[in-house]
Amino acid sequence: KQEVTQIPAALSVPEGENLVLNCSFTDSAIYNLQWFRQDPGKGLTSLLLIQSSQREQTSGRLNASLDKSSGRSTLYIAASQPGDSATYLCAVRPEGSGTYKYIFGTGTRLKVLA
Amino acid sequence: EAGVAQSPRYKIIEKRQSVAFWCNPISGHATLYWYQQILGQGPKLLIQFQNNGVVDDSQLPKDRFSAERLKGVDSTLKIQPAKLEDSAVYLCASSLVGVGWETSYEQYFGPGTRLTVT
Repeated sequence: KQEVTQIPAALSVPEGENLVLNCSFTDSAIYNLQWFRQDPGKGLTSLLLIQSSQREQTSGRLNASLDKSSGRSTLYIAASQPGDSATYLCAVRPEGSGTYKYIFGTGTRLKVLA
Repeated sequence: EAGVAQSPRYKIIEKRQSVAFWCNPISGHATLYWYQQILGQGPKLLIQFQNNGVVDDSQLPKDRFSAERLKGVDSTLKIQPAKLEDSAVYLCASSLVGVGWETSYEQYFGPGTRLTVT
């Protein structure tokens, strides 16, 4: 059974720091991994989608890497800003599921202090 | 491009009452998902539609939850009767369908409906 874990559960950093959020999954047989952002009381916003054949994806100050064989992904945020404060979730789509089902982690709550 | 629309945004009901949620996906998106997100947890898939057919409802508590997607566009999720443990945010998402199983498209989420059962 695929399980997704995110560490740390919460993180507080001063503005301007570079930071790394971690996501691990127990079964390396995945089609892709997606990182989301969730603001309080709101839905999820897709940040980056990495297909299983890719190693990383970049969007602005965000860079996500995928090491499928070791079951790990990292989300790197450069020069953090208070507006980056949110919960970050990763989700994997298992192979062989026959569907587009995604399994989510519990998220990392990030607070960037001004 | 309009996003995924959901209503209502908030709902408070007493246990054993019934409630229904509505979702309108992004135009042209064939796949629609309903997720349940309990406070402090990641979203859990309840049901997935491709057009108007159910692809996966393995985690849907079918004794009290039901969902439909008539005409392959809008969808409704119903709970009858509600229990205290159903208090959660109910998220609707949609995506395009990939040509092959190894290809996936991004999921786009609506703002969610926050349900409180008292």
